[in-house]
Amino acid sequence: GQNIDQPTEMTATEGAIVQINCTYQTSGFNGLFWYQQHAGEAPTFLSYNVLDGLEEKGRFSSFLSRSKGYSYLLLKELQMKDSASYLCAVQDSNYQLIWGAGTKLIIKP
Amino acid sequence: ETGVTQTPRHLVMGMTNKKSLKCEQHLGHNAMYWYKQSAKKPLELMFVYNFKEQTENNSVPSRFSPECPNSSHLFLHLHTLQPEDSALYLCASSLPGGGGNEQFFGPGTRLTVL
Repeated sequence: GQNIDQPTEMTATEGAIVQINCTYQTSGFNGLFWYQQHAGEAPTFLSYNVLDGLEEKGRFSSFLSRSKGYSYLLLKELQMKDSASYLCAVQDSNYQLIWGAGTKLIIKP
Repeated sequence: ETGVTQTPRHLVMGMTNKKSLKCEQHLGHNAMYWYKQSAKKPLELMFVYNFKEQTENNSVPSRFSPECPNSSHLFLHLHTLQPEDSALYLCASSLPGGGGNEQFFGPGTRLTVL
C-alpha cells in the first residue's frame, strides 16, 4: 500500500529552527511537495523536490533522499505566523498526489 | 487569494437533502480536483478532471456526483449523505497533472450532515 508518515504535532520557539520529517512508501515517485495550511484556510504550495538534495527558498528549505524515501522541511527564524499545518505529498507513478496527515506546528513566544 | 473560489463556504444539510458545491478557477488551468479533508486524516482525492473529462474516481460513493461543464468550473452534487460525510471539501486546480505542477486550492466548503 501507499503510505506517507509525518509527526502529528510539533512545538518550537519563535526565532528558532524546526525540522519536519516525512517518510514515504509509494507506487512510483514523480516528486514530493510541501504545502502549508493555516487553520480554516486553503493549503498553499511551499516547495517541490524531484531530485536528491536541498532546495532553499528564503527561510524555508526542503530536502529529499529518494533512496531513503525521506524528506524534511526546515523552517528557520521562526515567526508566529508560521504556526500552521505542514502537509507532505508524493506524486505517484500516475501523477496523483498521495498526502500525509499533516504536521501541526505550534510556535511559542 | 489563490485564484480558486468555492461556494458556499459553510453548508449544513440533512440526510435527505440535495445540495451542490461549486468551484471556479481563474488561472487558466485544465485539471481540477475534489478532495475530502477530515480532521487529522490525509487529504482524500475524490475526483480528477483533465480537460473536462473525468480521469479519476477514487471509489467514491454514488451519493457524490461531480460535474465539470468547462475547464473553469467544477461542481459536486450531494444527495442522501451520511453524517460521516461531514468534512471540509476542497477544490484544486493545476496545469495538466505531470511533473512539478503545483495544485492551487480553494478555501473549501465546511459541510455538516445532520
